[in-house]
Amino acid sequence: GQNIDQPTEMTATEGAIVQINCTYQTSGFNGLFWYQQHAGEAPTFLSYNVLDGLEEKGRFSSFLSRSKGYSYLLLKELQMKDSASYLCAALPDSNYQLIWGAGTKLIIKP
Amino acid sequence: SAVISQKPSRDICQRGTSLTIQCQVDSQVTMMFWYRQQPGQSLTLIATANQGSEATYESGFVIDKFPISRPNLTFSTLTVSNMSPEDSSIYLCSVSSTPLGSPFYGYTFGSGTRLTVV
Repeated sequence: GQNIDQPTEMTATEGAIVQINCTYQTSGFNGLFWYQQHAGEAPTFLSYNVLDGLEEKGRFSSFLSRSKGYSYLLLKELQMKDSASYLCAALPDSNYQLIWGAGTKLIIKP
Repeated sequence: SAVISQKPSRDICQRGTSLTIQCQVDSQVTMMFWYRQQPGQSLTLIATANQGSEATYESGFVIDKFPISRPNLTFSTLTVSNMSPEDSSIYLCSVSSTPLGSPFYGYTFGSGTRLTVV
């Protein structure tokens, strides 16, 4: 079967760094996505990894290891506005249907 | 990337009635996806809408309950039929952000429709 696992909830302090992990098992692999979703809003695209390694975009970085079926999203210099759910999604094959994780609710404390 | 206009943003409906949700995209896209998201949960794919053919439904979703239209490459509708309180949810449309004929690069979501059935 196809499956994505990520922690349900994490708490971090403003100004700190947090790493949200995601493991996946899919029949094929054409990329791994991270989305941010604030309560009551639609998901917004953060990153897309298809090759192994770390991709950095400002305060947010995403890492992929295809051999381990593992990704993480790293958030630096946390701000209160980063409080949101972070969704991990994998693209198993070329029909463009994503497999979604249940999301990690990130709570930022002052 | 593509920009999606989704309407309505929210509605409160009586049980037994139907609601049609519209998504208009500012560029031509091959596939449009319709999702449901229950409170505090992740996204569940309802169906994939292709232009010129019947939508492909995921397990647990049927055309009689969730009819979909896709008359052209920029527009789609999802109807939630014969609604019950269990249909209360957020409904989202999504498209590949890649313009037709360009290399693939991600997905964009509409702003969502928050449906409450009473």
